[in-house]
Order: sequence, then C-alpha cells, then structure tokens
Amino acid sequence: QVQLQESGPGLVKPSETLSLTCTVSGGSISSRLYFWGWIRQPPGKGLEWIGSIRYSGNTYYNPSLKSRVNISADTSKNQFSLKLTSVTAADTAVYYCARKWNYLDFWGQGTLVTVSS
Amino acid sequence: EIVLTQSPATLSLSPGERATLSCRASQSVSSYLAWYQQKPGQAPRLLIYDTSTRATGIPARFSGSGSGTDFTLTISGLEPEDFAVYFCHQRSNWPQTFGQGTKVDIK
Repeated sequence: QVQLQESGPGLVKPSETLSLTCTVSGGSISSRLYFWGWIRQPPGKGLEWIGSIRYSGNTYYNPSLKSRVNISADTSKNQFSLKLTSVTAADTAVYYCARKWNYLDFWGQGTLVTVSS
Repeated sequence: EIVLTQSPATLSLSPGERATLSCRASQSVSSYLAWYQQKPGQAPRLLIYDTSTRATGIPARFSGSGSGTDFTLTISGLEPEDFAVYFCHQRSNWPQTFGQGTKVDIK
C-alpha cells in the first residue's frame, strides 16, 4: 500500500517561500507509471492543482502559479518537494501530495500552511 | 481552463435515500472525469474514474454516468458513512481542475 506524508512548516510569513516535502513509502517515485503531484485546498474551499513531477524530472505547473512554483524530486530519499515563493494570505491552505496515474489514487493526509506575520 | 460547476452545493437527505450529484464542465472533457469523496479532516478518496469506473474497494451503490459536459454521481442508497463532500475532477485539459464540491448532509 502506497503511503504519502507531507512535512514542513505550518506557518510562513508573507513574501517568504513555502517549502514542503512529501515522503513516499510502499512505492517508488522513480516508477514510469506515475506522476507525483501537489494539490491545495484553502479553508472551506475547493481543490486546486498546483503541479506535478515525473520520474524523468519533467514538471507540469498550473499556469496560475507557474511563476512562483518549483517541484523537485530526490529519488535517493523517495521524496518530492514543493517550493512556492512570494506567498500571501491567499496561499493559506491545506497542501496535499498525491500519486497520479490518470487520477489521484493515493493522497497524503494534508498539512495546513498558514501565511501570516 | 475548464471550469467544473457542481450542483447542488448542499444536498440534505436521509439514510437509505438516493443521492444524485451533478458536475457540468465549461467545455467537453470527453469521459475523463472522476469523483472523490472527502470527509472532515481527511484527504479525498477516489471513488469513480473515467466517468463510470469504480475505484478499487468502492461499493456498488456508487455509480457514475455522463459524457462531454454533463456528469452525474449517483449513490443508490445512502449509508451513514456516505455523508461527506464530493468533488469532481477533469483530466482532459491542462491544468486539471476540480469542482467546488457538493456536501451531502443528513436531513
């Protein structure tokens, strides 16, 4: 059974960089079958796709966030990471990492990141 | 970007009743639509993909239908554990997008 776990600071100051890591167990992020992605959900709102990364290192970002987002992977640790720069209060959300083949079949539990001074 | 509009926003029903949830796309997504269930404090769970295929372990009371721009999730007889929020998701166009959700609560 694949498991994903997000980790990182729960509080980030405005204009700073949000950094999260997703640790995957029970499966390899080097698999050619899957993408590994980040999705967020502002409090009380719907889901927003942030972006994803493949085994090749190719990345795919939501155009609405592309200028501020970087997703990378560390295959030796079976982890992938999210960096979101110049954050504002609008970036406050629960951030999920997930595995995607065509759809999102395994998710982490999510981590709340609050942007506040 | 394809916008997915879900209706109704809230559906109040009793256990045992049939739930019908709608998801309408701003342009055709072919059959590339999924449904997820989310309970408070939990991650979403994949229920249905490619419009009508149940994910592993999903009970037969959940079914999906539709094509193009109009899709439906039906829960044939609500069990207590089915009261939750349901999201639709399209993978036809980048960026992939989600609906705003329909909350199914107890009447």
